[in-house]
Amino acid sequence: KAGVTQTPRYLIKTRGQQVTLSCSPISGHRSVSWYQQTPGQGLQFLFEYFSETQRNKGNFPGRFSGRQFSNSRSEMNVSTLELGDSALYLCASSGGTSVFFTGELFFGEGSRLTVL
Amino acid sequence: KQEVTQIPAALSVPEGENLVLNCSFTDSAIYNLQWFRQDPGKGLTSLLLIQSSQREQTSGRLNASLDKSSGRSTLYIAASQPGDSATYLCAVRSNDYKLSFGAGTTVTVRA
Repeated sequence: KAGVTQTPRYLIKTRGQQVTLSCSPISGHRSVSWYQQTPGQGLQFLFEYFSETQRNKGNFPGRFSGRQFSNSRSEMNVSTLELGDSALYLCASSGGTSVFFTGELFFGEGSRLTVL
Repeated sequence: KQEVTQIPAALSVPEGENLVLNCSFTDSAIYNLQWFRQDPGKGLTSLLLIQSSQREQTSGRLNASLDKSSGRSTLYIAASQPGDSATYLCAVRSNDYKLSFGAGTTVTVRA
């Protein structure tokens, strides 16, 4: 069974640009969540989607957005990049069977973003 | 707001010693708690998931306990090996379904 796949694995951008990261969940999983990991702030929750609906959102500015497609694949976008956005962005999927059930989380390897 | 704390931030033990990792949380209204390990530059690997109605979970050399009333979970790793060296994180999902992570405990097992 294939795991969670994130692309690209590494990318370098400059301030002011925008970036789109992609996440393909484990087959059959309908919940996808995104996290930012930095040495200073640790792991912080960005948002979570279930069946194309955002059901939870962390405390990040509106420059961070996401969406989920009908095949459960998800993308997150960061606009007007800042130096502080440099981080490892992790995606996780879960095999929750309904909107109000959350099961075990499985993480991808992450996308490492460097903003120059 | 749920606050999750992991103490100590780092520990080093000789091979064969048992490991005890602690996770505390401030709001006992939790849905579940999950333990992960993370190797440098990698994603998180799930170790154990404990639902709020459970007191413990076991998998091989790993055992995790949950005490909601005191806001604590403990991960025990028996007979540690150098391959257990990693950062261990606990994540608490509250009843509003938001997930909060601890900062992690970095473990070094010396051969």
